[in-house]
Amino acid sequence: DAKTTQPNSMESNEEEPVHLPCNHSTISGTDYIHWYRQLPSQGPEYVIHGLTSNVNNRMASLAIAEDRKSSTLILHRATLRDAAVYYCILRGYSGAGSYQLTFGKGTKLSVIP
Amino acid sequence: NAGVTQTPKFQVLKTGQSMTLQCAQDMNHEYMSWYRQDPGMGLRLIHYSVGAGITDQGEVPNGYNVSRSTTEDFPLRLLSAAPSQTSVYFCASSSWGSATNEKLFFGSGTQLSVL
Repeated sequence: DAKTTQPNSMESNEEEPVHLPCNHSTISGTDYIHWYRQLPSQGPEYVIHGLTSNVNNRMASLAIAEDRKSSTLILHRATLRDAAVYYCILRGYSGAGSYQLTFGKGTKLSVIP
Repeated sequence: NAGVTQTPKFQVLKTGQSMTLQCAQDMNHEYMSWYRQDPGMGLRLIHYSVGAGITDQGEVPNGYNVSRSTTEDFPLRLLSAAPSQTSVYFCASSSWGSATNEKLFFGSGTQLSVL
């Protein structure tokens, strides 16, 4: 399975932009890049996903490198509620019509008031 | 919408006991899955299903059984609980078939302790 590499932790000041990097050098052509986040004591929640083009939604933006070997999740103005563990995941087929999402350890984002 | 509902929220078992963690979703999702999360770790996939009557193993299936008799429900059975199964368990569901629209919805988790 294709793997992702993320920094263990990052810090950001409140109301500043945050760029969370993810490397996925073994990504295949059909793998979607997903981002989820997990707030303390909660289940993960979906943030954003994309295939080749940059994507925007109300929560964040996803910038995908042209060779697709890396991506960056962008939070435009970090708030204290954005403090969470952020997971970068590749969504690929496992064969026989099935698929798996494999979560790594993610990046723990701390937001400083 | 209730989304993904997991019961119970907390459970304490003795070694060797069996139990079933319940998961139900009301979004008519074909895909359902179970993850476990150990302290300080990411989530690891236990079992998943792409529709009623279809299940498959994930990364850490040993000691767990699943079945999918309806679209809505995907229970996880611990056959003989062991201390190594102490963890937080998350159930998740998503639509299936169009990668552009798939996103996982997670339940709030079940904290399981095996003594």
